[in-house]
Amino acid sequence: EPEVTQTPSHQVTQMGQEVILRCVPISNHLYFYWYRQILGQKVEFLVSFYNNEISEKSEIFDDQFSVERPDGSNFTLKIRSTKLEDSAMYFCASSGRGSNQETQYFGPGTRLLVL
Amino acid sequence: RKEVEQDPGPFNVPEGATVAFNCTYSNSASQSFFWYRQDCRKEPKLLMSVYSSGNEDGRFTAQLNRASQYISLLIRDSKLSDSATYLCVVNSRNTGFQKLVFGTGTRLLVSP
Repeated sequence: EPEVTQTPSHQVTQMGQEVILRCVPISNHLYFYWYRQILGQKVEFLVSFYNNEISEKSEIFDDQFSVERPDGSNFTLKIRSTKLEDSAMYFCASSGRGSNQETQYFGPGTRLLVL
Repeated sequence: RKEVEQDPGPFNVPEGATVAFNCTYSNSASQSFFWYRQDCRKEPKLLMSVYSSGNEDGRFTAQLNRASQYISLLIRDSKLSDSATYLCVVNSRNTGFQKLVFGTGTRLLVSP
């Protein structure tokens, strides 16, 4: 069964450093998403991406965040200058086309710890 | 009012019990509804979509009441492996660009 993969599984970084989280969505999917989950809290939408453009972003997704699909398979989330409050689990998700648009499949997540 | 509201639990039930979870949502324009399951420190996994007509998948039954903006999940004959957090999820978009809104989850503990 196809699945979304994410690397790294864990990342520890110093405050102010840049991090890039990587995702490989399911191969025939067209819509890509990033969510985050702070420990003990709910999953929160960050951004959706389609046809090489951001289609929607949340208030959390400020100028420090960016997304990119650098090639036909990877989808990345960059945090330019990390803050302590960016510590969270970051999930990538993807969904297909037509009636399959509705179902989002999540990757295993990257646990980011900012010190 | 929270967009998606759930009782956080935990619900402690013995194996074989029937347990029901409820969820309410605030956006009447919401188009599609789901229950996801999340194990500790893992990703959300789709359990089932929820339709107005109600739907059943084995021991799991989901119901949607659009008038009351209420979603339910019933688990029959609980197994130890059902122990997890159950996330009520709502999508308010009706075209490709989705935005899933998650509840905080209801934690279920099934004991022997």
